[in-house]
Amino acid sequence: GQNIDQPTEMTATEGAIVQINCTYQTSGFNGLFWYQQHAGEAPTFLSYNVLDGLEEKGRFSSFLSRSKGYSYLLLKELQMKDSASYLCAVLTTDSWGKLQFGAGTQVVVTP
Amino acid sequence: NAGVMQNPRHLVRRRGQEARLRCSPMKGHSHVYWYRQLPEEGLKFMVYLQKENIIDESGMPKERFSAEFPKEGPSILRIQQVVRGDSAAYFCASSDLVRSGAFFGQGTRLTVV
Repeated sequence: GQNIDQPTEMTATEGAIVQINCTYQTSGFNGLFWYQQHAGEAPTFLSYNVLDGLEEKGRFSSFLSRSKGYSYLLLKELQMKDSASYLCAVLTTDSWGKLQFGAGTQVVVTP
Repeated sequence: NAGVMQNPRHLVRRRGQEARLRCSPMKGHSHVYWYRQLPEEGLKFMVYLQKENIIDESGMPKERFSAEFPKEGPSILRIQQVVRGDSAAYFCASSDLVRSGAFFGQGTRLTVV
């Protein structure tokens, strides 16, 4: 089976930086996704990493270390609208494209 | 530029009734995935379909649940004889390639009373 672990909740102040960690144990790793999900809404795609290193996209960056089974999502210059659940999901080579999700990290941004 | 369309957005059913959830994938996408999200939990894979074929249904409960993706029309997730434990948000996702990641619909929130 696959284990995907991420913290349940994180709180940060508007304008600050928050780093959400995700660790996974899987065979046949074929990529890691981060999604943002506001309450009652659909998950929206944020990033995809398949090679080691940092991918930067505006205020959001995602990092992957395949040897450590570790990824993080970095949110900079936090805004109130960034309050949401952030989902880490792993794709494996034998999975036919289905994603295995972690339970999600609820980020609360305070004024 | 329509995305993944799901309907209805909200569905209320009494115990024992049937629930039908519909999903139209993004234009050009031939891969459809259904996920279920229970309150305060992550998304759990249910089934993966291509047109007229069920490719992977390893996440589907053995009884009462079925899915199809006909040649014409939307994909349907059907739950027979619903029970309270079926109350959840059901999300459909589609992709154009098997390993390209997926775009999600707005979900159907099923409430069984």
